[in-house]
Formats: sequence, structure tokens, C-alpha cells
Amino acid sequence: EDQVTQSPEALRLQEGESSSLNCSYTVSGLRGLFWYRQDPGKGPEFLFTLYSAGEEKEKERLKATLTKKESFLHITAPKPEDSATYLCAVQAGNTGFQKLVFGTGTRLLVSP
Amino acid sequence: DAGVTQSPTHLIKTRGQQVTLRCSPKSGHDTVSWYQQALGQGPQFIFQYYEEEERQRGNFPDRFSGHQFPNYSSELNVNALLLGDSALYLCASTRRGVAGGPNEQFFGPGTRLTVL
Repeated sequence: EDQVTQSPEALRLQEGESSSLNCSYTVSGLRGLFWYRQDPGKGPEFLFTLYSAGEEKEKERLKATLTKKESFLHITAPKPEDSATYLCAVQAGNTGFQKLVFGTGTRLLVSP
Repeated sequence: DAGVTQSPTHLIKTRGQQVTLRCSPKSGHDTVSWYQQALGQGPQFIFQYYEEEERQRGNFPDRFSGHQFPNYSSELNVNALLLGDSALYLCASTRRGVAGGPNEQFFGPGTRLTVL
């Protein structure tokens, strides 16, 4: 069964204090690993897709990396507006229909 | 370009009642998935519709059913509501993927269902 584990559950940073979020996964036939940002009471907002080990994607202060067993979301010099829950999800299978399997997320709070 | 839309935003029901939630996919998308997100948890896959048929289903009872219309919009129906059905229900849309590649899903704002 496909599984995703995210750590830490919660992370509190000072503005400008860089850190990383971890997503470890077990899946048969990875099609893609996805990072989403979710604000309270809202739907997840798509951030990145990663597919191959060694792949990296960047967007503003965020950088996502992928190995064969885990992914990291690096946050450089975060700002208070980066506060949100960050969700990791995997997609597996070799058909055109693939569900997403999510972790429980990391709640990030950035203080000014 | 409108993204994924859902209605209603909030809904309050009592145990045993039935509910219907609605979703319109992002322009150009033909596949709709539904997820349930309990407080403090990640979204859990309910089912996925393509060409008006259920293509994949997660570990949810038959009380959860759905429908997709020719314009690709979708409904989620839940019968005999239980207190544990209280959650944020998310709709996600995508274009049907080609075997071998990732397939991004884009989410709507969700419907908050409270069962009393």
C-alpha cells in the first residue's frame, strides 16, 4: 500500500530563518510526487511536481528536491506570508487514472 | 480562466440526512476526483470520474456515490449521514493522463460539511 509520511508535524520559524520539510514515501511505480500549500479552510494550492530522483524545482523562496525514498521542501529566508500547511502527495500506477495519496502535512508558522 | 469551483461553501446537516455537493472543473480538464479531509489530516481519496464513469474508488462505503455530467462537472452524494462524515470535501480536476507520466490535479476551495 502506498504511504506518505511528513515531518515535522509542525514547525515554527522566525522570519528569515531557513529550514526544510521532509516527505518520505513508499510506493509501487512512482508517477509523480507533488507539493501543495494549504491555507486554513481552503483547498490545496499546487506548488511542484517531481518525477525523477535528483530532480529539483524552485519557486520564489521554495525549492523541492527528490530522492528515491524522500522529498524535501526547502524554505529560504521565509516570510510570515509563507505560513500555511504544506502537503506532500504521491501518485502511482501505469494507467491514465491515478489517485493522490497524501501525507498529514507540516504546519508552518513564520513569526515576524 | 476560472479554476475549479465548488458549491455550496458550507453546509449543515443532521444525522441520517442526505447531501449533494457540486463541482465544476478547470477549463480544459475532463477528469474529476473527490477527496475528504478531516481536521488536521491530509485529503483522503474518495473516487475519480472520467467520461461519466467511476474509474477509481478509495476505501469509502457505498453511502458515498457520484456522478459526472457531459460538461465534465460532477456531484458527490452522501446518504445516511454520520457524525464522522463532518469534513472538508475537496474536488480536484485534471486532464486524463498518459501512461508513464505525472498528472497534476488542481483543487477547488472545498465544501465544509458539518453533521449534527
